[in-house]
Amino acid sequence: DGGITQSPKYLFRKEGQNVTLSCEQNLNHDAMYWYRQDPGQGLRLIYYSQIVNDFQKGDIAEGYSVSREKKESFPLTVTSAQKNPTAFYLCASSRVGGREQFFGPGTRLTVL
Amino acid sequence: AQSVTQLGSHVSVSEGALVLLRCNYSSSVPPYLFWYVQYPNQGLQLLLKYTSAATLVKGINGFEAEFKKSETSFHLTKPSAHMSDAAEYFCAVSEGSGGYNKLIFGAGTRLAVHP
Repeated sequence: DGGITQSPKYLFRKEGQNVTLSCEQNLNHDAMYWYRQDPGQGLRLIYYSQIVNDFQKGDIAEGYSVSREKKESFPLTVTSAQKNPTAFYLCASSRVGGREQFFGPGTRLTVL
Repeated sequence: AQSVTQLGSHVSVSEGALVLLRCNYSSSVPPYLFWYVQYPNQGLQLLLKYTSAATLVKGINGFEAEFKKSETSFHLTKPSAHMSDAAEYFCAVSEGSGGYNKLIFGAGTRLAVHP
C-alpha cells in the first residue's frame, strides 16, 4: 500500500541536542512538507520541497533544517536553536500542482 | 493572503444528534477547500474537498459540507453523530496557482460525542 511513514512515533530529547525526524513516502509525489502542530494552533508549515535537492522555508523555519537527497525522503532536523521544540510533527506529500496533501502518522517530540 | 476561521474550538454533541462544525474562509479567488480529521496521536485524514464541481460535497463516514460563496463558508455536517466521530477536525484552504500550492489551516475544532 502506498503511503507516508514517519519514525519514530515518540521521541525524547535533552535540551541542547539536535534530533532528526524521518519521513518516507512511496506515493511517487514530488512535493513534500513538514508541519508543526501545537494545541489550539492548527498546523504551521516549517519547510517544503517541490523537487529533489531543493527546498524552501515555510512560516516557522527558524531552528529547523531539512534535506531532500531522494524523492522518497525528506528528513527534518530539530536543532538546539529551536527554543520550544516540544510538539507534534507531521510530514505530508502531494503531486506538484496538486491541491490535496497526504499526511503521515506524525512524530511526537518531547524535550526533557 | 488567504485565511481560515473555525468557530468553536470545542463542540460537544450527544450520540445521534446533528454535528455542525463551522468554517469561514477568506480568499480573493475561487477557493479549493478541505476538511481533514485527526484522531488522537495520528496524522490527518482527508474527509472531503471542494474543487468547484458541486456546492454540496459528500465525504467519508457520512460527512458532507456545503460551499456558500455569499457567506464565504464551508461548514461540515453529519446528520447523526457516532461515538467514533470524536476527533479533531481541521478546515483548510489551498493557496497558490502554480506548481506549489500551500494549505492554510484553521485552528481546529475538537468534537466530543457523549452517550
